Amino acid sequence: LAKTTQPISMDSYEGQEVNITCSHNNIATNDYITWYQQFPSQGPRFIIQGYKTKVTNEVASLFIPADRKSSTLSLPRVSLSDTAVYYCLVVQTGANNLFFGTGTRLTVIP
Amino acid sequence: EAGVVQSPRYKIIEKKQPVAFWCNPISGHNTLYWYLQNLGQGPELLIRYENEEAVDDSQLPKDRFSAERLKGVDSTLKIQPAELGDSAVYLCASSPRSLQGRSSYNEQFFGPGTRLTVL
Repeated sequence: LAKTTQPISMDSYEGQEVNITCSHNNIATNDYITWYQQFPSQGPRFIIQGYKTKVTNEVASLFIPADRKSSTLSLPRVSLSDTAVYYCLVVQTGANNLFFGTGTRLTVIP
Repeated sequence: EAGVVQSPRYKIIEKKQPVAFWCNPISGHNTLYWYLQNLGQGPELLIRYENEEAVDDSQLPKDRFSAERLKGVDSTLKIQPAELGDSAVYLCASSPRSLQGRSSYNEQFFGPGTRLTVL
């Protein structure tokens, strides 16, 4: 099981770009990297998933280097509503467990 | 499109009492998950269903927890008897794709959860 390591918390001012890095040294060949966002009193919400290089959607970008041992979630121009906990997961084919970890608590400051 | 529905949203019981949580996944989603989330922690998988089959229940404490997904749609998670340490949020999620096979692509849709307090 490829567990992940990410910072416990981060602060950012409104309008700035935020990059959250996740380490997953034991990632396997067929594993995908997935990020979720969770607001208080809500279930997590899928943000983005990728396998290699760069993936972009309307919410975020995901950068994955060639060795795939880490990944970076990039949130452009954050607003106060982006204050949440962000989880990095490595999803394995036929996984017997989906490990969320403790996530990164992002606080956006006015 | 309706999201994942869970009920009740809140439940307060005394220890040793039974409790049940209900989940209705998004229509057409064959994969269903139950998670437990403690305060300040990430969700922890309890059980995963592919249709009506529990394909991963290795993290489910089977001495007191049970789950069922009759007809491969709605699911119920039960605790009997509840203990003080069971106080947590119980999350249900569904996915249109299975983790079986060659693809690991997995987007899960979570419900709002049921907050259980055991006194």
